Amino acid sequence: EAGVVQSPRYKIIEKKQPVAFWCNPISGHNTLYWYRQNLGQGPELLIRYENEEAVDDSQLPKDRFSAERLKGVDSTLKIQPAELGDSAVYLCASSSEWVEKLFFGSGTQLSVL
Amino acid sequence: GDSVTQMEGPVTLSEEAFLTINCTYTATGYPSLFWYVQYPGEGLQLLLKATKADDKGSNKGFEATYRKETTSFHLEKGSVQVSDSAVYFCALSRIGNEKLTFGTGTRLTIIP
Repeated sequence: EAGVVQSPRYKIIEKKQPVAFWCNPISGHNTLYWYRQNLGQGPELLIRYENEEAVDDSQLPKDRFSAERLKGVDSTLKIQPAELGDSAVYLCASSSEWVEKLFFGSGTQLSVL
Repeated sequence: GDSVTQMEGPVTLSEEAFLTINCTYTATGYPSLFWYVQYPGEGLQLLLKATKADDKGSNKGFEATYRKETTSFHLEKGSVQVSDSAVYFCALSRIGNEKLTFGTGTRLTIIP
């Protein structure tokens, strides 16, 4: 069984540039999460999807972040424009058993210069 | 709000030593508790979980017991191996709040 696939693995951009991250969850997993992990910290939830619907986006900075999950499968997280403080690892996770067992991708490490 | 506090790292041990990584939590109600592990270059993966007080989660020789009276979920292993070197995250979730709240992680290094 293929795991959660994220791309790119690394991204370096200058501040004020846009950036997008892509996630392909495990087949059949209806729930998809985006987390942000700052250096030396634990992951923090940005947004949670149930199929196509964003059911918890309370932690997503909506002035510059957006996300979509078309057809309830793949998802894209976008930042526009990026700021220095956005440098972090962006993790995607999926689950078929609510939050009891999440499967995480390897993450996208973003560096904003 | 919900929070998880883990012991500061990094932790360095010799092979076959006994491991304890402390974790305490603050949450309303009765959360479920988890330990996730992140091996170098890989994504986080569930190591073990416990969903109610006095439950013991176990996997790969690791154990943790849900202690409601001390709001703790300490991770233990009797004899660590070099392959256990990783970052360990304690986390919780609550019914009706379908997300994981993580601690800051503890980096464990085992030397031969």
